[in-house]
Amino acid sequence: DAGVTQSPTHLIKTRGQQVTLRCSPKSGHDTVSWYQQALGQGPQFIFQYYEEEERQRGNFPDRFSGHQFPNYSSELNVNALLLGDSALYLCASSYIGQPNTGELFFGEGSRLTVL
Amino acid sequence: GESVGLHLPTLSVQEGDNSIINCAYSNSASDYFIWYKQESGKGPQFIIDIRSNMDKRQGQRVTVLLNKTVKHLSLQIAATQPGDSAVYFCAETFDNQGGKLIFGQGTELSVKP
Repeated sequence: DAGVTQSPTHLIKTRGQQVTLRCSPKSGHDTVSWYQQALGQGPQFIFQYYEEEERQRGNFPDRFSGHQFPNYSSELNVNALLLGDSALYLCASSYIGQPNTGELFFGEGSRLTVL
Repeated sequence: GESVGLHLPTLSVQEGDNSIINCAYSNSASDYFIWYKQESGKGPQFIIDIRSNMDKRQGQRVTVLLNKTVKHLSLQIAATQPGDSAVYFCAETFDNQGGKLIFGQGTELSVKP
């Protein structure tokens, strides 16, 4: 049973460029949440997707956008990259029918470096 | 704004000893408090959760204590092993905000053999 998978694992971009990160949720899960984790910090919630729609959003600018596909996989897009966008981007999946106890399944992340 | 924070950034313990990792929170309205473990190069891994109406919950070698009077959360690890070396985060969430966790900064646990 595959867990949460993310791609790419590492990537380097320059300021002003755009990036797309991808996530496949754990089998049986239908909800995907994205987090940004700066070095030495805890993850920060970006947004969550369910039924191909953004369900919740954290305090991130509109440069951060996402998409969820019918197979529940998801993409995170960041436009007009800034140096401060350098971070580990984590995808977490869950099943909407489960009570929310805070248990999420995280992938290993995509490490983005902006030069 | 509301946040979840940790008292100590690093903790070093001897293998076999018990570890206690502490966390202070400020949002009394949170419904669940959770502990995650993050090993180097990996994503966070769920350890244990506790609902806000409880004060103690036990898992395998771990115990979470919640003191709502002083807004304090702790994770106790019994007989700490080298494999427990990682960064530990506390987090909080609300019943109606599934998938949205508010994480603290983290405590790095180092286990000496």
